[in-house]
Amino acid sequence: DTEVTQTPKHLVMGMTNKKSLKCEQHMGHRAMYWYKQKAKKPPELMFVYSYEKLSINESVPSRFSPECPNSSLLNLHLHALQPEDSALYLCASSRAGIMISSYNEQFFGPGTRLTVL
Amino acid sequence: EDKVVQSPLSLVVHEGDTVTLNCSYEVTNFRSLLWYKQEKKAPTFLFMLTSSGIEKKSGRLSSILDKKELSSILNITATQTGDSAIYLCAVSKSEGAQKLVFGQGTRLTINP
Repeated sequence: DTEVTQTPKHLVMGMTNKKSLKCEQHMGHRAMYWYKQKAKKPPELMFVYSYEKLSINESVPSRFSPECPNSSLLNLHLHALQPEDSALYLCASSRAGIMISSYNEQFFGPGTRLTVL
Repeated sequence: EDKVVQSPLSLVVHEGDTVTLNCSYEVTNFRSLLWYKQEKKAPTFLFMLTSSGIEKKSGRLSSILDKKELSSILNITATQTGDSAIYLCAVSKSEGAQKLVFGQGTRLTINP
């Protein structure tokens, strides 16, 4: 299995709703990532998990809450979002290596298109 | 501040032409440079270039890393309409898990 899957593909939510985005990979990767991508812009890193521990939080507002229950799963919990949070949310995974000789490309899932009304 | 700049931002050519896309970078703790192709949804991985692998080729696509000039090019020969996409350049930094810094992308359109 060489792919990253994401559910749901599309999500429409109101500003008072609570929802979750899910990401799964079975490539044995130990690093997983959440990105946000607005139209006609490159992906922006939000969070990085390495060996199931949060290693990077790019100053993301607390209305986004990541969770890594195990090495294959990554969730993004959403609460009290704003319309400007509407975007494509991409999950990615890679092997995790701290040695300089570890060159680990990231593989992306298909994304969840989120619309906040 | 880390920076990755791609040029041109947009390119329109005819099928069969050869194109060269450019990427320059200024980052601390450079580890590798990656090229991705993005059509409708997820970026798909094309190449990774490092100090030990500065040239890669796959079919009609090839890429070179110039560590002295802090830049890379992506060449596509004999272009086809299926090559139409946004091409993203990203640079990874030396951390436990890679942090990718993306360029703005080059929107490539191949007309029949």
